[in-house]
Amino acid sequence: KAGVTQTPRYLIKTRGQQVTLSCSPISGHRSVSWYQQTPGQGLQFLFEYFSETQRNKGNFPGRFSGRQFSNSRSEMNVSTLELGDSALYLCASSLNGLGEWAYGYTFGSGTRLTVV
Amino acid sequence: EDKVVQSPLSLVVHEGDTVTLNCSYEVTNFRSLLWYKQEKKAPTFLFMLTSSGIEKKSGRLSSILDKKELFSILNITATQTGDSAVYLCAHTGGFKTIFGAGTRLFVKA
Repeated sequence: KAGVTQTPRYLIKTRGQQVTLSCSPISGHRSVSWYQQTPGQGLQFLFEYFSETQRNKGNFPGRFSGRQFSNSRSEMNVSTLELGDSALYLCASSLNGLGEWAYGYTFGSGTRLTVV
Repeated sequence: EDKVVQSPLSLVVHEGDTVTLNCSYEVTNFRSLLWYKQEKKAPTFLFMLTSSGIEKKSGRLSSILDKKELFSILNITATQTGDSAVYLCAHTGGFKTIFGAGTRLFVKA
């Protein structure tokens, strides 16, 4: 079965712009989580969506937002980009987002965002 | 605030060595501990641990959880160069997954 698909794979943006990243989960998975990975901070949780509802979010500014559609595909948006937003953005899907039932999360290959 | 701490941060070994990676956690409501291997981009799932003292095994890799002492270890025996990667430990619960900084393992031929 198809894995988690993230698009685009690479993106270069300038400061002040906004960006939208997309994540298509594994078929049947209803939970999508987003993470930011940087060399200094590691993998940091952004937010989690299930059935179009955000159930939890990490400690990121309001410039980071997301949404989930009825087909479980999710997008995240970053407005007013800063240099520090340069990172690998990963999404992960699971059946329902509960660790003990999800048997782990399946990650996509990520979108590498560079802000110049 | 929940946190997951991994040690060591990096490790260099020779092929055939056995390594032990450590993960300690402080969380308000423990649900599950996960181990992942990240070679390039997408972390790949290794183990999920929910019960103390029950070892999970997959080939040369094994992992165990100690809920009393709040830690988990990941063992890799007879290491190979293909084991070179970043190993991530994470706690998942409350619709949120917190990752440790990872242990970067390099296996020399």
